[in-house]
Amino acid sequence: DVKVTQSSRYLVKRTGEKVFLECVQDMDHENMFWYRQDPGLGLRLIYFSYDVKMKEKGDIPEGYSVSREKKERFSLILESASTNQTSMYLCATILWAGTTEAFFGQGTRLTVV
Amino acid sequence: AQTVTQSQPEMSVQEAETVTLSCTYDTSESDYYLFWYKQPPSRQMILVIRQEAYKQQNATENRFSVNFQKAAKSFSLKISDSQLGDAAMYFCAGGLTGGGNKLTFGTGTQLKVEL
Repeated sequence: DVKVTQSSRYLVKRTGEKVFLECVQDMDHENMFWYRQDPGLGLRLIYFSYDVKMKEKGDIPEGYSVSREKKERFSLILESASTNQTSMYLCATILWAGTTEAFFGQGTRLTVV
Repeated sequence: AQTVTQSQPEMSVQEAETVTLSCTYDTSESDYYLFWYKQPPSRQMILVIRQEAYKQQNATENRFSVNFQKAAKSFSLKISDSQLGDAAMYFCAGGLTGGGNKLTFGTGTQLKVEL
């Protein structure tokens, strides 16, 4: 089974801090995604990556950056955390071939105080 | 650009009854995948069913089936013989086939199952 692991399930950070959310997948998939989930807004795409060192902006990239130095790891960075970035963050990976299916991490609930 | 629209924020169904959740996927492309994902209170996203746009036949997985109307851009999920364990948030999602493409989600439908 594909495993997608996010580094933290719950995180509390202070306004202005630099925050790193890590995601690791073990299935050698090229495509990885970071979503933000808020009530009533569903999952909104922040950034995605289709290869090492390649990244594309999603629908809400402002205030975020990403890093993909190795194929299995995709990091989401909040350069200066703000209270409006309090949310649930989900990492996912997908292989657009064969039995196409997206696999998700368990989510990180980030609270910025 | 692709957009996924779920117009039902909440739905309720009696146990053992049938419920249909609605979704539309707007794209000008012809080759894509559509999905329904379930998110229970544990927050783990679980694939319910998948449909390839080029396939004429609607996908079915046990009590779950879809009605895919390509021309109408409609992709509804039918849950038969609803069970208490079906209560969850359901997300519709879609994406173009091929590497480098994003996966877009709708806003979700919260399904309640009542005794």
